Amino acid sequence: NAGVTQTPKFQVLKTGQSMTLQCAQDMNHEYMSWYRQDPGMGLRLIHYSVGAGITDQGEVPNGYNVSRSTTEDFPLRLLSAAPSQTSVYFCASRESDEQYFGPGTRLTVT
Amino acid sequence: AQSVTQPDIHITVSEGASLELRCNYSYGATPYLFWYVQSPGQGLQLLLKYFSGDTLVQGIKGFEAEFKRSQSSFNLRKPSVHWSDAAEYFCAVGPHSGNTPLVFGKGTRLSVIA
Repeated sequence: NAGVTQTPKFQVLKTGQSMTLQCAQDMNHEYMSWYRQDPGMGLRLIHYSVGAGITDQGEVPNGYNVSRSTTEDFPLRLLSAAPSQTSVYFCASRESDEQYFGPGTRLTVT
Repeated sequence: AQSVTQPDIHITVSEGASLELRCNYSYGATPYLFWYVQSPGQGLQLLLKYFSGDTLVQGIKGFEAEFKRSQSSFNLRKPSVHWSDAAEYFCAVGPHSGNTPLVFGKGTRLSVIA
């Protein structure tokens, strides 16, 4: 049981490049979410999903796309990276009484 | 709208001293309440959670938290802090349903000095 896994751990992008942050969970949780963490801002919700085929926007969705084709996977796509997207990104999955976090992806956009 | 306030951005305590981290929430129904800890460069680990029943809950690493409905608070405590407790602590609130987002506070950074 690996829990929530994220790849890559680190990534450097140039402005305008695209990339996908991968997230997978093996706990059969319906609910998954993406957060970004910035100094002094805490965790801000980007997008979330309550099951395969269902996604919704969080607090800071602009510049990010998601899809949920399977219960296990919830990738986050940056279509055209901007320096403001430099952050640490956490994926999470949740059952009713606990939310599990992945180890994070540290993204730098130059 | 639901919200979580952690009034203290940064707290410094001496090793062996007691600790209390404050958390106030705004929520329309009976909430689930959580405390998470994040060590430097790491992900978030659940310390403890409250759903119902006894308002004093015990967690890992010797932490406890008390739910006070009248004050909309869920403060985290530890009687004697260890240097390894230096980390960032996040309070979160959510519904009993597992299909809606948790709302997190902005975090309190704890420093421990000798």
